[in-house]
Amino acid sequence: KAGVTQTPRYLIKTRGQQVTLSCSPISGHRSVSWYQQTPGQGLQFLFEYFSETQRNKGNFPGRFSGRQFSNSRSEMNVSTLELGDSALYLCASSLGGEDTQYFGPGTRLTVL
Amino acid sequence: KNEVEQSPQNLTAQEGEFITINCSYSVGISALHWLQQHPGGGIVSLFMLSSGKKKHGRLIATINIQEKHSSLHITASHPRDSAVYICAAGAGSYQLTFGKGTKLSVIP
Repeated sequence: KAGVTQTPRYLIKTRGQQVTLSCSPISGHRSVSWYQQTPGQGLQFLFEYFSETQRNKGNFPGRFSGRQFSNSRSEMNVSTLELGDSALYLCASSLGGEDTQYFGPGTRLTVL
Repeated sequence: KNEVEQSPQNLTAQEGEFITINCSYSVGISALHWLQQHPGGGIVSLFMLSSGKKKHGRLIATINIQEKHSSLHITASHPRDSAVYICAAGAGSYQLTFGKGTKLSVIP
């Protein structure tokens, strides 16, 4: 079975731009979670989707949004980028209950 | 809000040593996750446990629900175990709260 894939792997943007990141879960997994990892704050939960519905959201501003499609693929969008948004963005998929999460390789976003 | 504390932050061990990493959390949880992150960013889920003890190869994870404490043990450590180990508390709503991680270096 193929693992979780994320595209793109690396991205450079400038302040004020917006960005869309994509995550394809393991086949059969219906839950996709997104996380932000920075050297200062560590790993932080962004949001979780299950069957196209957002079930939970972390403490991030409204500039961070996401969605999930009927094939369980998920995207997250960050609008009006700030320097502090530079981070590794990870997604993880699971079957949907309180299950083991399988992480993708991450997208490293740099905001200049 | 759940607070997750890990100790130690950094750990250097000689190959073959027995290693323990500790994790404490402040509120009740439904599951405790142990993750391993290698340089470059890739994260692997090692354990998810809600009670008792789990073992996989040289790795053992335990949890004490009453004490709100979990430990990850590595027996007969090896340089390939060098990584950052992260514990995360799940509150049943699919929202994980993470510790800051423990950077382990195993020297041959």
